[in-house]
Amino acid sequence: GAGVSQSPSNKVTEKGKDVELRCDPISGHTALYWYRQRLGQGLEFLIYFQGNSAPDKSGLPSDRFSAERTGESVSTLTIQRTQQEDSAVYLCASSLQNYGYTFGSGTRLTVV
Amino acid sequence: GQNIDQPTEMTATEGAIVQINCTYQTSGFNGLFWYQQHAGEAPTFLSYNVLDGLEEKGRFSSFLSRSKGYSYLLLKELQMKDSASYLCAVKNDYKLSFGAGTTVTVRA
Repeated sequence: GAGVSQSPSNKVTEKGKDVELRCDPISGHTALYWYRQRLGQGLEFLIYFQGNSAPDKSGLPSDRFSAERTGESVSTLTIQRTQQEDSAVYLCASSLQNYGYTFGSGTRLTVV
Repeated sequence: GQNIDQPTEMTATEGAIVQINCTYQTSGFNGLFWYQQHAGEAPTFLSYNVLDGLEEKGRFSSFLSRSKGYSYLLLKELQMKDSASYLCAVKNDYKLSFGAGTTVTVRA
């Protein structure tokens, strides 16, 4: 596609439920990143994919968070047993050879 | 570790100039990015510096001093649409590490 697409754009979920966030990167971009942005704060790195492999998962805050990527394309970030502190905007970015990062508009997650 | 600092907020008048400073202490360095982010939207690329000096692009300029761990973004001839958050990010290998962002408010 022309840009990075994320869905849903907004998600309200009850505490304890699981959520899946989707990212469609720019076609041909081999690198994909997930970031979290809490209100009034900077972007916090979560995970990096090169192709379908994730050589750096160091930013995932707990084992409730997981992500996968298939077909060197779509990626899904899953948060299990959501907590209120998970409320944030989750941003996805893709790049070609780790240069020229393009961000999606994000998924705003609200846990109530 | 990564430490990237920028001011939280700045206010300026339409038509004026504003300079947003960013200082960094990082374990590696492969370049510095500036992004603009309007509320509720994706960060969009403004500039990339990997060598010392000034890069000029229209109304926006960015400066880098690697020895000082310092960069600034200069916004000239401010317009109301420039009201946004400006993010400084340091590239280390494949990863971007971000500062907390500077919210710029442009007043008429």
